Amino acid sequence: NAGVTQTPKFQVLKTGQSMTLQCAQDMNHEYMSWYRQDPGMGLRLIHYSVGAGITDQGEVPNGYNVSRSTTEDFPLRLLSAAPSQTSVYFCASSYSGTLGGREQYFGPGTRLTVT
Amino acid sequence: GESVGLHLPTLSVQEGDNSIINCAYSNSASDYFIWYKQESGKGPQFIIDIRSNMDKRQGQRVTVLLNKTVKHLSLQIAATQPGDSAVYFCAERGPGNQFYFGTGTSLTVIP
Repeated sequence: NAGVTQTPKFQVLKTGQSMTLQCAQDMNHEYMSWYRQDPGMGLRLIHYSVGAGITDQGEVPNGYNVSRSTTEDFPLRLLSAAPSQTSVYFCASSYSGTLGGREQYFGPGTRLTVT
Repeated sequence: GESVGLHLPTLSVQEGDNSIINCAYSNSASDYFIWYKQESGKGPQFIIDIRSNMDKRQGQRVTVLLNKTVKHLSLQIAATQPGDSAVYFCAERGPGNQFYFGTGTSLTVIP
């Protein structure tokens, strides 16, 4: 299994540009999540999904959209990038019936810089 | 030790020594805790977990201690090795079954 994969690894955007961060998992996990990680702060939950067709907001959802058309994929969209969205983004998937826990696996991250 | 919102503390230990990393959590109602290891350029990796009805749990070379009275969690790594160099952070499961993550402690193992 490839586990959780994310593309791209690095991205530089100008303010106002849009882009989609890709996330895929091949473990048939129902739960998938997006986090951002900023210096001096812990991981913060952006959006999550408990199954195909179902998404919900986390702690910091503003400025981001998600969709879950398949079990495998959970893309994160930035419609109009802002410098405050400069961060490292992690996608994660979970086998168990909760968002996290020992069965949660993280992808390698996407480092996004917005100028 | 680490706590949510503070700068990243650092810890340097000699190879072969034991390491102790601390974490202060915020919610007395949190019922489940996890320690993660994050190597440079990689995503967090699960190390060990503990439920609130326990005060100690041991894994392979790692032990987690939970003190609910003072809302404190610690991770002990025995016989620290160079491959243990990484950022370690804790997470607590709080209201709404959501996880809240600490900022982390950077561990450097000196050969």
